[in-house]
This record gives sequence, structure tokens and C-alpha cells, in this order.
Amino acid sequence: DQQVKQNSPSLSVQEGRISILNCDYTNSMFDYFLWYKKYPAEGPTFLISISSIKDKNEDGRFTVFLNKSAKHLSLHIVPSQPGDSAVYFCAASVTGNQFYFGTGTSLTVIP
Amino acid sequence: EAQVTQNPRYLITVTGKKLTVTCSQNMNHEYMSWYRQDPGLGLRQIYYSMNVEVTDKGDVPEGYKVSRKEKRNFPLILESPSPNQTSLYFCASSPRLAGPSQETQYFGPGTRLLVL
Repeated sequence: DQQVKQNSPSLSVQEGRISILNCDYTNSMFDYFLWYKKYPAEGPTFLISISSIKDKNEDGRFTVFLNKSAKHLSLHIVPSQPGDSAVYFCAASVTGNQFYFGTGTSLTVIP
Repeated sequence: EAQVTQNPRYLITVTGKKLTVTCSQNMNHEYMSWYRQDPGLGLRQIYYSMNVEVTDKGDVPEGYKVSRKEKRNFPLILESPSPNQTSLYFCASSPRLAGPSQETQYFGPGTRLLVL
């Protein structure tokens, strides 16, 4: 049973606009959440993370929001750039040993 | 250059023929892990290791073995591969154990395996 879900397989956004990628989870014990970006033929690379004690974390154009009551997190990219086109995975863990990933959302930023 | 390397990058084999996918990191990381990526299923953790001689099952360990005899290496062993193990495999490493300041994982480039 998938404990971390990304219900949108794909998303298209105009360059300069905001991209919002969503992720839902079922395990209330998750205490650490991450977003990874993946280009074809490469391994995932870390983008941004958030601890369960926070509800927002920002790094440049990337912001992650965590809503624990809804078991929902989202990644905002502002402004979106063509180089952001990739597959984005959210992931969650308990204690940082075992990780659960979502199925990924393919983002296309249209120039 | 700090990196996680995997070999081979591509492998075609037949059912039942034992194979090993090697993973090596040069960052002195304590934590290492193996994942498989399948369409519609995302990445799923196979095994992880918190340190030398310490390994634990992830979400989908069936049909796989691992060993961690040295800090830098974490090979994935398929004793008797089957077609349902056809997948894209990623090795990852991380500098810290679990804790409040968890570090992210650094992924290798992937190994694409086809079992006929």
C-alpha cells in the first residue's frame, strides 16, 4: 500500500508562473519530508526538505509547505524556469532510516 | 569528485543467473541504501545500511541480498533473478544516521536491469 502519493502524474506550467506540486501521505509517524528532482538517465537529486516540527521551508525559488493535519505537503516553484522541467518525487521517513517515495510528477515548464 | 558510482549501468541477464550490482561512494558516508524504480510505483526501498555490518530490510527486500563489509561499498545481490526484478536500480548514500538534523541522500546514476 502506497504510503506516499502523488496524484498528479504530470503538470505543465508557463515559464515565469508558479508550479505547485502536491503530495499526500498516510502515515502520521513520518517526521521528515523531502523533495527530489530527477532528470532522465540520472539519479534523483535533493531539492528541499522539511521537518515535521515546521510548516514551511524556503530555499530560493523553492518552498515546501507541510500541513500535518491534512497529511499533505506541497512544493512551490516561483518563478518556474524551463530548466525546472523534470520528474519530482516527494519522500517521507520515520527516523531517517527507511524512506517512502511517491510515484512522481513530471513537470514541464513551457518557454 | 564526490559521487556514488554503480556498475554495471546496463545489464541483460536470464532468469536464475546470479548477479551483483556494485555500489561505491567516496564521501565516507555511513548510510547507504538501494532502491528500485518502476513505472507507476515510484522509488521503493529495497535494503538500507546504517553502518558497516548493519543492514535492514526496506519496503521490497524479497529476492535481494546485500552486504556491507566496508564503509564505501554496498553491493546488491540477486541470487536467482526473475523477470519481475526487471527495473531501474539506484544506490544512495547519506552522511548521517537518523536524527533531528537528517542529511539528504545522494543517488548514483542508476543501473537498468532486464531479466529475460
